[in-house]
Amino acid sequence: GQNIDQPTEMTATEGAIVQINCTYQTSGFNGLFWYQQHAGEAPTFLSYNVLDGLEEKGRFSSFLSRSKGYSYLLLKELQMKDSASYLCAAMDSNYQLIWGAGTKLIIKP
Amino acid sequence: GAVVSQHPSWVICKSGTSVKIECRSLDFQATTMFWYRQFPKQSLMLMATSNEGSKATYEQGVEKDKFLINHASLTLSTLTVTSAHPEDSSFYICSARTSGDSYEQYFGPGTRLTVT
Repeated sequence: GQNIDQPTEMTATEGAIVQINCTYQTSGFNGLFWYQQHAGEAPTFLSYNVLDGLEEKGRFSSFLSRSKGYSYLLLKELQMKDSASYLCAAMDSNYQLIWGAGTKLIIKP
Repeated sequence: GAVVSQHPSWVICKSGTSVKIECRSLDFQATTMFWYRQFPKQSLMLMATSNEGSKATYEQGVEKDKFLINHASLTLSTLTVTSAHPEDSSFYICSARTSGDSYEQYFGPGTRLTVT
């Protein structure tokens, strides 16, 4: 079957760094997405990885290892506004997104 | 660019009535649109995928006669919840995708439906 695993909740301190891990099993693979979702709002796109390696975009970076079925989202210099759920989604061979349950990130002062 | 709107943003309706939710891509042509449902503290659940001009493909367990989807143009898709019941109360989110290499989905702001 197809499955995405990510931690349910994480807590970090303002100004620190946090890494949110995601493992996936899909029928075929066409890329890995990370989205941010604030409570009561729709998801917003953060990153897309289809090749192995690290993609850096400002304070956010995303890493992919296709051989390990593994990705992580790295958030640096955490700000209070980064408190949100972070959704990992893998695209299968039919170009359908398989969604994880999301990781709720709590930032403490 | 790549803005998707949804209307209404929230709606309250009585049990047994029907509700229509519109999803529009404002500055691009959406060859494919997706409808999701999200219950509190849960992940997105894909309900159906629609391609312009063709019938929607529904996910297993989603009643196509209850959740009517129309994708009549490259910028508009509608979801009609027919004979709504309290258990249909949820956050409904649409997303749109263009043809191309990135396959990124652009999400609308969502519609919160409450059925009383």
